[in-house]
Amino acid sequence: DAGITQSPRHKVTETGTPVTLRCHQTENHRYMYWYRQDPGHGLRLIHYSYGVKDTDKGEVSDGYSVSRSKTEDFLLTLESATSSQTSVYFCAISQAGETQYFGPGTRLLVL
Amino acid sequence: AQSVTQPDIHITVSEGASLELRCNYSYGATPYLFWYVQSPGQGLQLLLKYFSGDTLVQGIKGFEAEFKRSQSSFNLRKPSVHWSDAAEYFCAVGAGNNQGGKLIFGQGTELSVKP
Repeated sequence: DAGITQSPRHKVTETGTPVTLRCHQTENHRYMYWYRQDPGHGLRLIHYSYGVKDTDKGEVSDGYSVSRSKTEDFLLTLESATSSQTSVYFCAISQAGETQYFGPGTRLLVL
Repeated sequence: AQSVTQPDIHITVSEGASLELRCNYSYGATPYLFWYVQSPGQGLQLLLKYFSGDTLVQGIKGFEAEFKRSQSSFNLRKPSVHWSDAAEYFCAVGAGNNQGGKLIFGQGTELSVKP
């Protein structure tokens, strides 16, 4: 399995609070991605990174920001969490922007 | 618009029976195609992928998929299903590093296996 960890694995928070999810890889892959998974929608891309400090928006980026200051870490921040951001969040990595390998996921509940 | 459709939300098959999960895509360029499997509470595991060449690709766990350009399909098959195959299956399409490797996923098909 690709060396990808996500933290925390579970989080409960309240509406309006900031939340940061971390993705850490040990594979030295160039590309990193954040997806959210919701029933009936499959996985939808939030943001992705194609190098240190290089990021771009995905399909559902509103309300989310990301940062990548090191190759191994990709942070997803919800500046002010809303109930609609209750979801399972997956990080993925890719060496050359082709095949993606996924982390174990983070379950986020916003009350 | 680019999209992936998995027409079957839920499929139930008997153990030992054959399986086919459907995937249709709409994509302007030559696509990169993937099947992933997700067990409950787990991340996604890559089953197989198609980039070019032989249109019948073999994957892990005895799965195969066939790319049919004329039908815009990439259906997943297995000749004999095992109880451990019960999971959710996702088809995905991408353009490789031309677009940052972004993937578009189908809605998923949940597979149940009867004893």
